[in-house]
Amino acid sequence: ETGVTQTPRHLVMGMTNKKSLKCEQHLGHNAMYWYKQSAKKPLELMFVYNFKEQTENNSVPSRFSPECPNSSHLFLHLHTLQPEDSALYLCASSQVLLNNEQFFGPGTRLTVL
Amino acid sequence: GENVEQHPSTLSVQEGDSAVIKCTYSDSASNYFPWYKQELGKRPQLIIDIRSNVGEKKDQRIAVTLNKTAKHFSLHITETQPEDSAVYFCAAPGLQGAQKLVFGQGTRLTINP
Repeated sequence: ETGVTQTPRHLVMGMTNKKSLKCEQHLGHNAMYWYKQSAKKPLELMFVYNFKEQTENNSVPSRFSPECPNSSHLFLHLHTLQPEDSALYLCASSQVLLNNEQFFGPGTRLTVL
Repeated sequence: GENVEQHPSTLSVQEGDSAVIKCTYSDSASNYFPWYKQELGKRPQLIIDIRSNVGEKKDQRIAVTLNKTAKHFSLHITETQPEDSAVYFCAAPGLQGAQKLVFGQGTRLTINP
């Protein structure tokens, strides 16, 4: 598959569960991003990784834990989430160069019960 | 940090008419301004971008204008068609580099037949 893929596409979890979101990019990029998209804040940056190193944490609560084992894969580990964390979580990738297009994945629709 | 304001939040136009969406930014050093389109249930995709060394860029029915002095940029869609219905996001680089994008709040554009 080409482009940026995300799994699962839909996830329902309880507040005590632990789950992980996965993102994979097939574009040869070296920067990856996690965004949260909700009605209140349409596209909210969470984390940025350059060459597997985290370069941005946008004051995200510790119940969200990112992991970037290599430039092609990005995970978001979730634990003890709150109902207000329900949102669409989008992954994106780009080249680590100034002014470069970000390519988005299809997102994971997360519902926290 | 960079602050991006986008207006209007919703816009409804008759098919064939033009649509204009405006964004302002706060960081005078910003030099890259992309526009993303997100159709219902789909991922955001870049439709056009402009760099600070030009004042206008066109791509068929879509154009973007940039006023660096006033720190605002606009998306213009002419001869609108039903498939233009979507949410449009503007963005500008966050402080300390263009890799981090700060997105506007989004404009939901509806084209009425």
